[in-house]
Amino acid sequence: NAGVTQTPKFQVLKTGQSMTLQCAQDMNHEYMSWYRQDPGMGLRLIHYSVGAGITDQGEVPNGYNVSRSTTEDFPLRLLSAAPSQTSVYFCASSYLGFTEAFFGQGTRLTVV
Amino acid sequence: KNEVEQSPQNLTAQEGEFITINCSYSVGISALHWLQQHPGGGIVSLFMLSSGKKKHGRLIATINIQEKHSSLHITASHPRDSAVYICAGGKTSYDKVIFGPGTSLSVIP
Repeated sequence: NAGVTQTPKFQVLKTGQSMTLQCAQDMNHEYMSWYRQDPGMGLRLIHYSVGAGITDQGEVPNGYNVSRSTTEDFPLRLLSAAPSQTSVYFCASSYLGFTEAFFGQGTRLTVV
Repeated sequence: KNEVEQSPQNLTAQEGEFITINCSYSVGISALHWLQQHPGGGIVSLFMLSSGKKKHGRLIATINIQEKHSSLHITASHPRDSAVYICAGGKTSYDKVIFGPGTSLSVIP
């Protein structure tokens, strides 16, 4: 079982560049979410989705876009990267909201 | 004040010791989650609790919803238990999850 596949693992961007972090799950989970993790701040929710076609903002949504065209995929888009977006990003999925969550391996993003 | 707090922030233990990590929250939740994050960065779900106690191997998690408190216990700790332990709470199935800041555990041989 692949579980949650998150790519890339590492990325360096220049300020102003755009990119998409990919997240895919093969468990038919309805609930998917994106988090960023910064030193001393713990995990913070960026965006989440409760099913295909439905997304909502989390705690820190500014500068990020998401879409959920299929149950399997939940990409996170950085429209114009800023140094403040340097962080480690995690995608997660679960069957229902806050049941057992499965996390991707994380993406370490550096914006210079 | 954070809505979910953990104590201690950092913990160093000798191999074999009994370890307790505490989580308290100021918001009403219907379930609480304990996660483990290893130094490599991967995050693994350990427990989801809505009441009482759960046990998995050497790990035991308890929760008191009324007192808004949960504990994670590790019996006979081992260096491979060294990780960051994170508690997180949610109110409803699709509500936004609130994460604690994490407790960094180091178990020394």
